Amino acid sequence: DAKTTQPPSMDCAEGRAANLPCNHSTISGNEYVYWYRQIHSQGPQYIIHGLKNNETNEMASLIITEDRKSSTLILPHATLRDTAVYYCIVRVVVTGGGNKLTFGTGTQLKVEL
Amino acid sequence: EAGVTQFPSHSVIEKGQTVTLRCDPISGHDNLYWYRRVMGKEIKFLLHFVKESKQDESGMPNNRFLAERTGGTYSTLKVQPAELEDSGVYFCASSQAWTTPLHFGNGTRLTVT
Repeated sequence: DAKTTQPPSMDCAEGRAANLPCNHSTISGNEYVYWYRQIHSQGPQYIIHGLKNNETNEMASLIITEDRKSSTLILPHATLRDTAVYYCIVRVVVTGGGNKLTFGTGTQLKVEL
Repeated sequence: EAGVTQFPSHSVIEKGQTVTLRCDPISGHDNLYWYRRVMGKEIKFLLHFVKESKQDESGMPNNRFLAERTGGTYSTLKVQPAELEDSGVYFCASSQAWTTPLHFGNGTRLTVT
């Protein structure tokens, strides 16, 4: 799987949008971009994923550049409960093929009052 | 629906003893995974079951680790004999299909003294 690069930490004011960047310049055509987060003492929580198009769900939006070499996770109105480590992961999704998630060190997002 | 549940949440054992961790996936999820984070390291893949069959066990560190999923429902991960370097958090995840997102449990924190 392609390697991802994320800033080690970011701060965000409560109520503001949190924009978390991720570089994946070696991503292949069949690799999806996945975002997970881990709140202290809990297991990783799935947020969103996408291949080419921008995606939105009840938790977040995912913006993928046209060349797919980078993406941004957007939490539109961050709250204190969004404080967590956010992982950007590229994943080959092929039935019968490899199915591992490769976690890096992620971005520690701290949401403050 | 109930999420992925893991038992116990914490386990403290002495070096040389045996420990068995249990994972109950989300009902109906054929795919079950084990991951772990050892001290100061990133979350790493251990293995992947499809129903009761081991699809990929390339991440299992050595033959002291044995994973089973009899009947294709819950899974156990046995460590025998445990070593100090096995200390960490063991996560279980499940997915409905090969290509769908993984959903993680909150993990078992294993401490080997």
